[in-house]
This record gives sequence, structure tokens and C-alpha cells, in this order.
Amino acid sequence: DAGITQSPRHKVTETGTPVTLRCHQTENHRYMYWYRQDPGHGLRLIHYSYGVKDTDKGEVSDGYSVSRSKTEDFLLTLESATSSQTSVYFCATRSGTGLPDTQYFGPGTRLTVL
Amino acid sequence: KNQVEQSPQSLIILEGKNCTLQCNYTVSPFSNLRWYKQDTGRGPVSLTIMTFSENTKSNGRYTATLDADTKQSSLHITASQLSDSASYICVVSAASGTYKYIFGTGTRLKVLA
Repeated sequence: DAGITQSPRHKVTETGTPVTLRCHQTENHRYMYWYRQDPGHGLRLIHYSYGVKDTDKGEVSDGYSVSRSKTEDFLLTLESATSSQTSVYFCATRSGTGLPDTQYFGPGTRLTVL
Repeated sequence: KNQVEQSPQSLIILEGKNCTLQCNYTVSPFSNLRWYKQDTGRGPVSLTIMTFSENTKSNGRYTATLDADTKQSSLHITASQLSDSASYICVVSAASGTYKYIFGTGTRLKVLA
């Protein structure tokens, strides 16, 4: 998993509660991404970061926010979790140097919102 | 609209047999195409990556082909093993645009003893 860890790996929470997922990388990669994976859909981009404090929205960003205060950490926050946010969340990183360069994925976090 | 479609959705084969997975895309402008393997409960792992000028790339028993004219790619698995049981995801990168990586929904392969 190219030095990428995600925490927690599993979480069950209730509707309306805030949830924060953490992605930590040891590769010093510039780019970091949060995706969600649901049955019948390809991986869908939630937010991404192109540097410390530099983030932007992906295609399914509603209800999510992110922060990146250090190169190695990228946090995904669900301000008020809903059942539609039950999913498997993957963090990915990319060095941004050399062409083509590859995205490396973390092990995933399975989130269940009751 | 940029899209990546994979077929079949699922496939069951016997150990030792070969199989071929398909990926069709409508991503433009095209930059490169990747195949990932995703074991159950794990994150995707890159198998191959091909740019516009490459039409074949091998990684052990995995061989990917790319036809940029017809916008098709295939992943051929030779002499399948039980450990090949996984989902295989085709990802196409656009050369421009905000959402640069377009993911297919994957083909779920099961290899039986």
C-alpha cells in the first residue's frame, strides 16, 4: 500500500454525528485524494489536495470537507453523517513527478451510518 | 461525457485457464490507461499503465493491450491462479480537466480450483 495508512479501518456511527477519517502517508507525495466506493459505481472522487492547505472539490463533495495541514496527513470530515454516506472510503496519493505517475491507494475505511 | 465501461461485470474460470477482460472508454483528450487489481477488503494496486503510444504492456502473467483508435483496452490473464480472484479496474486519465481519473466499475473475477 506504498506507505499509506487509514484510520479507523471500520466505523459504525449514527445519523447526524460528525465523523473524521484520517489518511497518513510516508512517501512525501504532493497529491492526496479521497474516494468513495459503492456497488455499481466506479471509485468517485470526493476531494483532493495538491499541496499543504491546497484542496479542491471532486465530483461528490457535498456533505464532506477536508483539511491538509501537513504533507503526510489528509483528513476527511463528514460534518453530520447521513445514511447515504455509508460506503468504503479510500485515500490515494500521487507523487506528481515523472510521467506517467501512478496513484497509490490505502487499505480503505468501511463506514456505516445507521 | 467521459466514461469507462468494463465487461464482463463478473467472470468465473477454472484454475489454469486464460481469460480476457475488456475496457472501452470515451475519455478525451486521452492521457493514459491503467489497470488495477483490487483484492477483497483491500485498496486497488496498479498492474500496468499505458500511454497513447504504447499498445501492449506485460506484468508477469498479466498483459494489457491498448487500441487508442478504437478506444479499447483489454487485460489478458494467462494460466490463472486462485490468487487472481479479485476485481480488476480500468482507469483512464484525461489530459485535461478537473476530474482527471475516470474509473470503470470493475470486473469481478473468481478462479475456482
